Amino acid sequence: RKEVEQDPGPFNVPEGATVAFNCTYSNSASQSFFWYRQDCRKEPKLLMSVYSSGNEDGRFTAQLNRASQYISLLIRDSKLSDSATYLCVVNWPGNYQLIWGAGTKLIIKP
Amino acid sequence: DGGITQSPKYLFRKEGQNVTLSCEQNLNHDAMYWYRQDPGQGLRLIYYSQIVNDFQKGDIAEGYSVSREKKESFPLTVTSAQKNPTAFYLCASTNRGDLENIQYFGAGTRLSVL
Repeated sequence: RKEVEQDPGPFNVPEGATVAFNCTYSNSASQSFFWYRQDCRKEPKLLMSVYSSGNEDGRFTAQLNRASQYISLLIRDSKLSDSATYLCVVNWPGNYQLIWGAGTKLIIKP
Repeated sequence: DGGITQSPKYLFRKEGQNVTLSCEQNLNHDAMYWYRQDPGQGLRLIYYSQIVNDFQKGDIAEGYSVSREKKESFPLTVTSAQKNPTAFYLCASTNRGDLENIQYFGAGTRLSVL
């Protein structure tokens, strides 16, 4: 069964705080991992790919744990504009399909 | 400006009616996808196409049909057989040469039943 699981939240976080979410996936053969951001009533947009060694883009850090089959996203010094739903996405090997989590809703409060 | 254009932005369907959602891309991408998103849920794959004149069913293809006569275009028809069509429909594309398979999206079409 194709599964990507996320905590739906919402995570209510004060501005400036650090927040982290995890996502678990079912297929141990998956090779591509992403975090997308989706604003209310808009299309998803790529936030960052997730690489085996972990990677950072400004305030955002993504990690992959293959042994436990999860990926994580850490946001430091959170801004009001970070409020959105964060979608975890994993490829399904053997075709061009991506499997999408239901998303984690983040609300940054002033 | 390269991108994916979906139209219309909002669409209303009457009982028993077929409606067609448009998706056009000028990114020269080979693969195109249609997803459905319901409130509080992730994206579910309806159909995808890796090359012109070829397409495959996704996880929820029943009640939908597609065509891929041109590389740039991948229209989705929501048929009367789809009993619960109200949702946000998203079209995406990717370059098959992209090892990561990053997908890029249009702005979506919101379909409601009258």
